[in-house]
Amino acid sequence: RKEVEQDPGPFNVPEGATVAFNCTYSNSASQSFFWYRQDCRKEPKLLMSVYSSGNEDGRFTAQLNRASQYISLLIRDSKLSDSATYLCVVNKNYQLIWGAGTKLIIKP
Amino acid sequence: DTAVSQTPKYLVTQMGNDKSIKCEQNLGHDTMYWYKQDSKKFLKIMFSYNNKELIINETVPNRFSPKSPDKAHLNLHINSLELGDSAVYFCASSQAGGGSQRVGELFFGEGSRLTVL
Repeated sequence: RKEVEQDPGPFNVPEGATVAFNCTYSNSASQSFFWYRQDCRKEPKLLMSVYSSGNEDGRFTAQLNRASQYISLLIRDSKLSDSATYLCVVNKNYQLIWGAGTKLIIKP
Repeated sequence: DTAVSQTPKYLVTQMGNDKSIKCEQNLGHDTMYWYKQDSKKFLKIMFSYNNKELIINETVPNRFSPKSPDKAHLNLHINSLELGDSAVYFCASSQAGGGSQRVGELFFGEGSRLTVL
């Protein structure tokens, strides 16, 4: 089992819809979590950090479930510009473990 | 004013050649990284430096040699290039190093796309 797993997608979602995807991690001692977005042929950019149970920033909400060892990302009122690959990163003993990403396509 | 800048953005070269990629950050961060992203889009850490000192050196062929002349610069030199080295190489920096929960807050450069023929 991979240390950090994400559904690769793609998730095809109509504009305006709400979409959520999960990231599962195997090490229960993982301390902090991060979501990045990466546009095609661009660099990853930090979207959100999660240090406790969750975080919210505008239309984006991250929720951490330590019991089940997953972190979710919810996007409300999705925009065309949300189309990207979303990468989950787990801090395990101050080493970063990257997921392979979930591809999201928002359709008009 | 670009926060993390890498040069060159594109590099096409023959097998067996030696090449370098340069990275500079103007954020005042203490920690810098080199990541490799291959055709399957998986991001893999190669090296990490904190204040010019090497702190992470993953299993990377010794043909790859990082060099940090000061904490704002981290360069990557690759000897005897192979076909499998073709990838996008990302430089990143972080204010937080090991021991901080914010270790995952990275700022990436735009990437250097290396193609080995």
